Amino acid sequence: DAKTTQPNSMESNEEEPVHLPCNHSTISGTDYIHWYRQLPSQGPEYVIHGLTSNVNNRMASLAIAEDRKSSTLILHRATLRDAAVYYCILRGHNTDKLIFGTGTRLQVFP
Amino acid sequence: EPEVTQTPSHQVTQMGQEVILRCVPISNHLYFYWYRQILGQKVEFLVSFYNNEISEKSEIFDDQFSVERPDGSNFTLKIRSTKLEDSAMYFCASSEDRGNSPLHFGNGTRLTVT
Repeated sequence: DAKTTQPNSMESNEEEPVHLPCNHSTISGTDYIHWYRQLPSQGPEYVIHGLTSNVNNRMASLAIAEDRKSSTLILHRATLRDAAVYYCILRGHNTDKLIFGTGTRLQVFP
Repeated sequence: EPEVTQTPSHQVTQMGQEVILRCVPISNHLYFYWYRQILGQKVEFLVSFYNNEISEKSEIFDDQFSVERPDGSNFTLKIRSTKLEDSAMYFCASSEDRGNSPLHFGNGTRLTVT
């Protein structure tokens, strides 16, 4: 399973943008880049995913490097509710499972 | 928005007892999953289920574990003879399809084995 590397923790102030990086230098051509987050005492929650092009949805944006060896999850205006552990996960097209790492713990300050 | 529901939210059982954790996936979803998270550790994949059979399972999912979709709405995880190390949060998830359909997770059942 291809691995990802994320910082252990990051901090942000409320209403500021947050850029959460992820390195995945061993990504294969068919791996999608998925982001999930886990709020305290809750199950993981899907955030966004992409293959090559940048993606936007109501929760976040995903910027994918041209060589696909890294990506950045962008929260445009952090809120207190965005405090969570964010997981960057590579998912192959022929597997059902998600392999969770330790993720990045995001703290948001008022 | 439809959601995955899990019951009970907390289950306490004695070592050696059988336990069944229940989940109601999102109604039009076809793929179902169980994950677990031991306190302070990573979320770990246990098993995926499609078309009434296991499609993939991890090393953790040994003979003590089984899954079932007993009717059109429920999806269950049974642990036959619980051990202390089975204490964890167990998360059920479902997705419309495999591959790159997002997984929708429930809020988990906390299993405590004493």
